[in-house]
Amino acid sequence: GESVGLHLPTLSVQEGDNSIINCAYSNSASDYFIWYKQESGKGPQFIIDIRSNMDKRQGQRVTVLLNKTVKHLSLQIAATQPGDSAVYFCAENYAGGYNKLIFGAGTRLAVHP
Amino acid sequence: DGGITQSPKYLFRKEGQNVTLSCEQNLNHDAMYWYRQDPGQGLRLIYYSQIVNDFQKGDIAEGYSVSREKKESFPLTVTSAQKNPTAFYLCASSIDPRTDQAFFGQGTRLTVV
Repeated sequence: GESVGLHLPTLSVQEGDNSIINCAYSNSASDYFIWYKQESGKGPQFIIDIRSNMDKRQGQRVTVLLNKTVKHLSLQIAATQPGDSAVYFCAENYAGGYNKLIFGAGTRLAVHP
Repeated sequence: DGGITQSPKYLFRKEGQNVTLSCEQNLNHDAMYWYRQDPGQGLRLIYYSQIVNDFQKGDIAEGYSVSREKKESFPLTVTSAQKNPTAFYLCASSIDPRTDQAFFGQGTRLTVV
């Protein structure tokens, strides 16, 4: 299948550990943010989202933190599993005129048994 | 089932030829997007459309064209002016990019032979 993220930064973790993936976004006026997971050869899948009026949001095993002061997002994955191995992207709704969804560079997560 | 469908999954093009990638959604979404993904890189926005009969250039629109004659359809034409068209192309749609996630198709891998 399609191989994505050949040269992306890689985060290697042991199975069962917690993972933290970071992302810097570009527009201080962006008001909606999404984390996506992409497996090789497939389209990105939604993980969790957060609006700019929040600092933190939790889902099942995942937490997103938003720091608007420094334009930074993080995705925390608890008890990382082999099935979590993928490339993770943050995306921002680039507000202003026409709204458009812009993606960050991505991070490859490698989970080792 | 509702969803977003891209076709074909693999596409081969001779140099100098135009080729059109299909993207269809039955989610009743107003907004649709086209992204390009190269190995080792994230998703770069080619074109986006917030409503029927309207579309805007993204960050790398040169050598591409789109149409949005129907709400369900947002085809992308890769023209001979695109100098390096070999890539993985992803289509997405959303109800409202300001508040809702974008759903992705499974992608089309275009190779110039």
